[in-house]
Amino acid sequence: AQSVAQPEDQVNVAEGNPLTVKCTYSVSGNPYLFWYVQYPNRGLQFLLKYITGDNLVKGSYGFEAEFNKSQTSFHLKKPSALVSDSALYFCAVRLLRGATNKLIFGTGTLLAVQP
Amino acid sequence: NAGVTQTPKFRVLKTGQSMTLLCAQDMNHEYMYWYRQDPGMGLRLIHYSVGEGTTAKGEVPDGYNVSRLKKQNFLLGLESAAPSQTSVYFCASMGTGGNEQFFGPGTRLTVL
Repeated sequence: AQSVAQPEDQVNVAEGNPLTVKCTYSVSGNPYLFWYVQYPNRGLQFLLKYITGDNLVKGSYGFEAEFNKSQTSFHLKKPSALVSDSALYFCAVRLLRGATNKLIFGTGTLLAVQP
Repeated sequence: NAGVTQTPKFRVLKTGQSMTLLCAQDMNHEYMYWYRQDPGMGLRLIHYSVGEGTTAKGEVPDGYNVSRLKKQNFLLGLESAAPSQTSVYFCASMGTGGNEQFFGPGTRLTVL
């Protein structure tokens, strides 16, 4: 079965420090991978995606993610964290079977950036 | 463009009551989805639609029904609400050939 795992419920980082939010996946075939962010009392916003090509993907708000096929990982990174980055982050994989275009989401990681 | 909108934003029901959540999108998207979000469980797919007039079950469909009579609207119904359906409900849409889903702001439902 296809799945996504986010091993950390919460990540704490000081403002200005680099941050990493981890994601691993289990899919058959080539994965389509996504990161979404959810600010308090808001819907999910798309951050970035990996479909094919360069393993390092750049997205919104200075975030990037590295696709690693051998480790089946798609970690989200940012060189210098901001307090405003504090939010809930979801990794997702798209199911390619059929024409449903369904996403499977991880359980989410709460990022807390301290000033 | 308003994007994806959801009505209502908040609702409190008593056990056994029924209600309908409305999702509307103005992006002419073919695909629409209903998710529920619960603490520690991420988002789980309830039902989805690949086009007007079509619906299909997702991961957690029990206790819910949906309809997609118009392309821009996707309705989620609870016929007899239960406390286990207390959750935040999100609607999303995606266009043909697109890759990312666009989400609405959510509906917070409490069933007493």
